[in-house]
Amino acid sequence: DAGVTQSPTHLIKTRGQQVTLRCSPKSGHDTVSWYQQALGQGPQFIFQYYEEEERQRGNFPDRFSGHQFPNYSSELNVNALLLGDSALYLCASKLQREFDNEQFFGPGTRLTVL
Amino acid sequence: DAKTTQPPSMDCAEGRAANLPCNHSTISGNEYVYWYRQIHSQGPQYIIHGLKNNETNEMASLIITEDRKSSTLILPHATLRDTAVYYCIVTFNTDKLIFGTGTRLQVFP
Repeated sequence: DAGVTQSPTHLIKTRGQQVTLRCSPKSGHDTVSWYQQALGQGPQFIFQYYEEEERQRGNFPDRFSGHQFPNYSSELNVNALLLGDSALYLCASKLQREFDNEQFFGPGTRLTVL
Repeated sequence: DAKTTQPPSMDCAEGRAANLPCNHSTISGNEYVYWYRQIHSQGPQYIIHGLKNNETNEMASLIITEDRKSSTLILPHATLRDTAVYYCIVTFNTDKLIFGTGTRLQVFP
């Protein structure tokens, strides 16, 4: 049973460029969340997708957008990259039912903006 | 979500119990206490959660005080593989986890 997978593992971009990160949830999971983790900090919630819609959003600008596909996989898009967007981007998945509270995290994508 | 306070770092000898404290004095009645850990270069991993009763699973025990203003995560026999950053999270919204800076636990031989 594969856990949460993310691609790519590492990515280097320059300021102003756009980037797309990908996530496949754990088998059987239907809800995907994205987090940004700057160096030395805890992860910060970006947004969550369920039934192909954004359900919750953290305090991130509109440059951060996402998508969820019918197979529950998800993409995170960041436009007009800034140096401060350099971080580890984590994807987490869960099953959206009342008592299923545990989130499973992937290994992350390390984004470096030069 | 209630704010949590954790010590920035702790040490523990291998084989001994690691007791990680968390203060959450502003916790409200419907908020759960969650613990996650993050081993270097990996994503966070769920450990345990509770509402008001003490909880135990194969990884750890969670002790919540009667007034629910603080809790302790106990790793009964710490190993080197338990070296990680441990996050205490208090929330009613389990879909949106608010991480602080956590406690960096170093287990030494």
